[in-house]
Amino acid sequence: RKEVEQDPGPFNVPEGATVAFNCTYSNSASQSFFWYRQDCRKEPKLLMSVYSSGNEDGRFTAQLNRASQYISLLIRDSKLSDSATYLCVPRSYIPTFGRGTSLIVHP
Amino acid sequence: NAGVTQTPKFQVLKTGQSMTLQCAQDMNHNSMYWYRQDPGMGLRLIYYSASEGTTDKGEVPNGYNVSRLNKREFSLRLESAAPSQTSVYFCASRLDRTYEQYFGPGTRLTVT
Repeated sequence: RKEVEQDPGPFNVPEGATVAFNCTYSNSASQSFFWYRQDCRKEPKLLMSVYSSGNEDGRFTAQLNRASQYISLLIRDSKLSDSATYLCVPRSYIPTFGRGTSLIVHP
Repeated sequence: NAGVTQTPKFQVLKTGQSMTLQCAQDMNHNSMYWYRQDPGMGLRLIYYSASEGTTDKGEVPNGYNVSRLNKREFSLRLESAAPSQTSVYFCASRLDRTYEQYFGPGTRLTVT
């Protein structure tokens, strides 16, 4: 079983919309995670960390639900520039990267 | 502070040729990683290095060798390139305390 599973999408949303992605994980011992974003043909870049207390950074909110073993990322007021692939990655010495969730924000 | 740099940005090789991909970081991180990413796929770990002088195999090490020359530099060598090694190669370093990874811009390699 994969360490994390994400809906590959794509999620197609209009500008200004609120969109949420979930990421389920299999290792109940996982304490924290990261969300990375990867633009087409570019390197992944760290978006935010996710701990048990959650995290908010501007339009982005991440939550960790230990009981149901999933991590969520909420994006409010979507911008065209938010179009990217979002990767959920467990905090690990040898992190694993899945295919992520593709978001397309259209005018 | 350049972060993680990679050279070259693009490379075309013929089957059987060899080359070395260079990676350097100026953030004083101990751990460094090499990944490959094929179209529509996630990153797959080739090799990693926990510290200067140590290297370990990842998920897909066959056909590759690495050298951790010093704390800053971690190179990836293809001894005899094959078309199956056509991919985008990313180098990354990891912040020791938080485990956050920082990636280089990638090398786009085509083997014909």
